[in-house]
Amino acid sequence: GAVVSQHPSWVICKSGTSVKIECRSLDFQATTMFWYRQFPKQSLMLMATSNEGSKATYEQGVEKDKFLINHASLTLSTLTVTSAHPEDSSFYICSARYKLLDIQYFGAGTRLSVL
Amino acid sequence: AQSVAQPEDQVNVAEGNPLTVKCTYSVSGNPYLFWYVQYPNRGLQFLLKYITGDNLVKGSYGFEAEFNKSQTSFHLKKPSALVSDSALYFCAVRDSSGTSYDKVIFGPGTSLSVIP
Repeated sequence: GAVVSQHPSWVICKSGTSVKIECRSLDFQATTMFWYRQFPKQSLMLMATSNEGSKATYEQGVEKDKFLINHASLTLSTLTVTSAHPEDSSFYICSARYKLLDIQYFGAGTRLSVL
Repeated sequence: AQSVAQPEDQVNVAEGNPLTVKCTYSVSGNPYLFWYVQYPNRGLQFLLKYITGDNLVKGSYGFEAEFNKSQTSFHLKKPSALVSDSALYFCAVRDSSGTSYDKVIFGPGTSLSVIP
């Protein structure tokens, strides 16, 4: 299947700093990418839908100023957690929609720990 | 609004026995249905999907799922479980119509344990 690369896989940062997570579709172009957050033993919570060349669409309750999303090309979307706090610690997963097959492929996830 | 339910948090099955992981959904239009598997500290891997056509869908690793429109269900099945099938399974649905066309909603997940 198609490959989505997510980097870094694990990041530890100090409270108040910003962290950038990259999501790349390696062998297909993705006009739409998605960012999810997953708490332990829970389902995925959609945070935002990222559309290439336009602003992201955020789900209700997600702070757009805190979770900055940029989808600058057809193969790259980034999520920046600004001024991170311990409550932002979580597992963040991106996915990219492969339009030809109409399937979302997922990255391996990023474990964020804010001290 | 679309939603997905997975009524079982945990399913235990003996190795070699058939397994079923249940899923029911609710959408306003025609459903696009998906199953994904997640291993610890990893992203989700696509198993199979149903969009239209034959109600029995075959996917990766010997898994299959049966779409039942009248019961709004899309149960995941495998004839003979392997220990390596132990993981977290997510059912997902996308509404084929309306403004939320791109949005995939995931169920709460079912943890499958295959006992040797």
